[in-house]
Amino acid sequence: GAVVSQHPSWVICKSGTSVKIECRSLDFQATTMFWYRQFPKQSLMLMATSNEGSKATYEQGVEKDKFLINHASLTLSTLTVTSAHPEDSSFYICSAIRGGNSNQPQHFGDGTRLSIL
Amino acid sequence: AQTVTQSQPEMSVQEAETVTLSCTYDTSESDYYLFWYKQPPSRQMILVIRQEAYKQQNATENRFSVNFQKAAKSFSLKISDSQLGDAAMYFCAYSSKDAGNMLTFGGGTRLMVKP
Repeated sequence: GAVVSQHPSWVICKSGTSVKIECRSLDFQATTMFWYRQFPKQSLMLMATSNEGSKATYEQGVEKDKFLINHASLTLSTLTVTSAHPEDSSFYICSAIRGGNSNQPQHFGDGTRLSIL
Repeated sequence: AQTVTQSQPEMSVQEAETVTLSCTYDTSESDYYLFWYKQPPSRQMILVIRQEAYKQQNATENRFSVNFQKAAKSFSLKISDSQLGDAAMYFCAYSSKDAGNMLTFGGGTRLMVKP
């Protein structure tokens, strides 16, 4: 159990377009989901914490108007990169915690490779 | 703020041998969790092992074990009988309830396994 599905796995689009990435917990409910960004050969950097039914909490330096996060249900969070530019190209990974239990580990999606031309 | 440091950017081990990856962290909290994640070339994040800070006993998962030294804030990962499939990036991570369960990652260690 504890499967997290992330879609799409790879997207290439033109500069100026908006891209939506979905993160779904398939077999459990996730009150909290997290969005990370990873540049090549670097570690994961937390972008924001997504809580079901409330506004996301963004980390310092992350533009909330650029990276829109919606957590409308207990099994789905979405990250929309608005007006994407080449510098937004990166690997984006989501994770989810089963229920709201702090004793549970985070379960990761397989990530989305975003390439902006 | 919590920080996690992995001082070894790269490590190499001969197949069937044992290797230890280092991790240190800094925190003022007493109740927290420590993790080791594996990221193979597919970039999928795979949980290798998890340690609860209030447990003195070191966690083990088959060929993977940790040496958790709470006073020294050290959390090393030992891989025994290394296999070719163990080659990957390994990330040490920290989380706590007080920090909203967010994970703070170390910089990672690239492990290469020689046949």
